[in-house]
Amino acid sequence: DAGVTQTPRHEVAEKGQTIILKCEPVSGHNDLFWYRQTKIQGLELLSYFRSKSLMEDGGAFKDRFKAEMLNSSFSTLKIQPTEPKDSAVYLCASSFRQGAEQFFGPGTRLTVL
Amino acid sequence: GDSVTQTEGLVTVTEGLPVKLNCTYQTTYLTIAFFWYVQYLNEAPQVLLKSSTDNKRTEHQGFHATLHKSSSSFHLQKSSAQLSDSALYYCARSNTGYQNFYFGKGTSLTVIP
Repeated sequence: DAGVTQTPRHEVAEKGQTIILKCEPVSGHNDLFWYRQTKIQGLELLSYFRSKSLMEDGGAFKDRFKAEMLNSSFSTLKIQPTEPKDSAVYLCASSFRQGAEQFFGPGTRLTVL
Repeated sequence: GDSVTQTEGLVTVTEGLPVKLNCTYQTTYLTIAFFWYVQYLNEAPQVLLKSSTDNKRTEHQGFHATLHKSSSSFHLQKSSAQLSDSALYYCARSNTGYQNFYFGKGTSLTVIP
């Protein structure tokens, strides 16, 4: 079975650009999560979908970050406009049901210049 | 509110000696499960241990943890640390609430010869 896939693996953007990160969850998983990972803050939840419905939009992140679940097997995270402080690893994870183990993708390393 | 606390950001231990990573939690909602995730350099986080039973020891890859609801803890331990154990460790808890998954900030473990 394929795990969680994320593309691209690396992204370099200029300040002010719009970038879109992509995620394909494990087939059959109903919950999907987007996280930002930094050394200082650890894993910060950006968005959470349950059966394609947005349950959590990340509070402080929602002004420039927008996640969408276009169908049960594909999600995007748009950052618009990007800022240098957005440089981080963005992880997508999925789980079979509420509260179950999350499976993580390899992440996208974003660098904003 | 709900939270997971990992008190040590960095832990260094000599190879062959025991290691303990602390994890405590606060909860409002009913717990589903506790997890320890491990993230090796340039890899995605993956589950190391999981437990939902009070006072039952769970073991995997030489690590063990016991959920103690009386002290709200789920510490990770290993009797003899190996160089290959060097990684980032996250404690996590899932519950029945709206945002159903909480991660601690992570503990970076370095095992030295």
